[in-house]
Amino acid sequence: ILNVEQSPQSLHVQEGDSTNFTCSFPSSNFYALHWYRWETAKSPEALFVMTLNGDEKKKGRISATLNTKEGYSYLYIKGSQPEDSATYLCAFLSQTGANNLFFGTGTRLTVIP
Amino acid sequence: ETGVTQTPRHLVMGMTNKKSLKCEQHLGHNAMYWYKQSAKKPLELMFVYSLEERVENNSVPSRFSPECPNSSHLFLHLHTLQPEDSALYLCASSQRAEGHQPQHFGDGTRLSIL
Repeated sequence: ILNVEQSPQSLHVQEGDSTNFTCSFPSSNFYALHWYRWETAKSPEALFVMTLNGDEKKKGRISATLNTKEGYSYLYIKGSQPEDSATYLCAFLSQTGANNLFFGTGTRLTVIP
Repeated sequence: ETGVTQTPRHLVMGMTNKKSLKCEQHLGHNAMYWYKQSAKKPLELMFVYSLEERVENNSVPSRFSPECPNSSHLFLHLHTLQPEDSALYLCASSQRAEGHQPQHFGDGTRLSIL
């Protein structure tokens, strides 16, 4: 079992604020890092799959960065909207177990209108 | 609308019952997965199938028995479950069983063991 940690555990922001949260993972044997968004009563939705150190990905107001050497990824949301309220999950794959995604427990974001 | 459909959405069963969870994907993917999420724990991978062959089995108790009759369907057969097996069971699929592909999830089956 590999340790994937996400912080903070939960977060409340005002509509219009920008925010970010962290995913930490082992810095050795990196293969890929996934980000998912999981709204209540829905299924997890893939946001990004990141594979190279220094990767930056963007989807609308959401972006992510990756540092494989130090073992962290940041997810940024610019100008948060109430519909961004969800749990954001990251998941790590090592080179030694490329079929096995290890998930963090997520950051639960609430955007207050 | 999800490309991965799971049934039933909720299931309550006794410890001596036998039931099955069903997953169907309409995305033309070749890999399918079963995950378990217990309260306050991260998603845990249970099984991975690639082209109907099991390629990963994460030390799951034998009371959980997966079946993949074709690349579009995945079942999880349950028998003699324990109360600690109460959890949300999620199915997912991806283009290939390879870590650079995003996974597409179903809505899950909420299982309660009495």
